[in-house]
Amino acid sequence: AQTVTQSQPEMSVQEAETVTLSCTYDTSENNYYLFWYKQPPSRQMILVIRQEAYKQQNATENRFSVNFQKAAKSFSLKISDSQLGDTAMYFCALPGTYKYIFGTGTRLKVLA
Amino acid sequence: KAGVTQTPRYLIKTRGQQVTLSCSPISGHRSVSWYQQTPGQGLQFLFEYFSETQRNKGNFPGRFSGRQFSNSRSEMNVSTLELGDSALYLCASSLGDRTSGANVLTFGAGSRLTVL
Repeated sequence: AQTVTQSQPEMSVQEAETVTLSCTYDTSENNYYLFWYKQPPSRQMILVIRQEAYKQQNATENRFSVNFQKAAKSFSLKISDSQLGDTAMYFCALPGTYKYIFGTGTRLKVLA
Repeated sequence: KAGVTQTPRYLIKTRGQQVTLSCSPISGHRSVSWYQQTPGQGLQFLFEYFSETQRNKGNFPGRFSGRQFSNSRSEMNVSTLELGDSALYLCASSLGDRTSGANVLTFGAGSRLTVL
């Protein structure tokens, strides 16, 4: 069965600092995608970044980057230069068969 | 381009009642998925529809049902409401291609259901 685990329920970071959110997963697929979604307090979930498993290079989107370790089945999200607007729940997600499997989320608070 | 629209945004029901939630996907998206979000359980998959066909269903009782119309709009229904059904119900649409990285979910703002 496919699983996604986020072991950090809550984290905080000072504005302008860097923070890393952890995610581990399990899948028997060889090629797959992984996603990080963000859910701000206003509730609408938005895509932060995605990674295709067969690509060696870690994905980067502006201040957001991932550290993808395929053998270890680890997919962490690094947020650089944290901003107050980064305060949100962050979900790691693995697409399954016509559904996504989400981790339980990490609540990130950026402190002024 | 309009986003995913969910209605109603908030609703309060009492135990035993039923509720219908609506979701209008992004134009051109043929897949609509529903998720239940609660503080204790996180995001739980309810069902997914593609071209009016249910392709997958989560582990929820038969009180939870859904359908999709020819214009890709979807509804979900919960009958005989229980207190535990209180949750944020999220709808997400996508192109629906399982193998494509373009199959990114775009979420609506959700429908917050409170059961008293």
